[in-house]
Amino acid sequence: DAGVIQSPRHEVTEMGQEVTLRCKPISGHNSLFWYRQTMMRGLELLIYFNNNVPIDDSGMPEDRFSAKMPNASFSTLKIQPSEPRDSAVYFCATSVGTGGTGELFFGEGSRLTVL
Amino acid sequence: AQSVTQLDSHVSVSEGTPVLLRCNYSSSYSPSLFWYVQHPNKGLQLLLKYTSAATLVKGINGFEAEFKKSETSFHLTKPSAHMSDAAEYFCVVSGSYNTDKLIFGTGTRLQVFP
Repeated sequence: DAGVIQSPRHEVTEMGQEVTLRCKPISGHNSLFWYRQTMMRGLELLIYFNNNVPIDDSGMPEDRFSAKMPNASFSTLKIQPSEPRDSAVYFCATSVGTGGTGELFFGEGSRLTVL
Repeated sequence: AQSVTQLDSHVSVSEGTPVLLRCNYSSSYSPSLFWYVQHPNKGLQLLLKYTSAATLVKGINGFEAEFKKSETSFHLTKPSAHMSDAAEYFCVVSGSYNTDKLIFGTGTRLQVFP
């Protein structure tokens, strides 16, 4: 299995530009999580989906952030417009089922730098 | 509310010596607890998990952790450190109302010196 695949691995953009991060989950995993990691705030859960349906988006910082999961094999996290404080590593993670098994499989992350 | 506190932000050991990474938890009920590891520029990987079965949990790469309810602790240990153990380690607890939501500690950076 190829694992959770994220793209791009690195993105440098200018303030005000739109950024789209992509995630391909492990086949058969029906829960998908988007996390953000910064030195100041550590690892934060932004949103998660179960069976392609958003379950909890309380961690999404602002309306500038949006996430979609149009099908079981693809998810996007979009920031529009981007700001320097959005600079972080964004991780996608997936798991089988629900109920807090805790066995999340993480992608290698997308490092975003907003100038 | 559920929370975890990692007592050390940095731990340094020599190769071949024991490793101890400390974690205390706060929970209103019997929690599920986990340790994850993150190597540089990589995603996180599950090391081990406790889900109310045996209190001594064995994980990958020789790591283990012991759940101590009386001390509300879940410390991670390894008898002998290897250079490849150098990484960031996260203690994690599952949420109370929504067990899908994992709550991550602030991390402990482990350095291993030759």
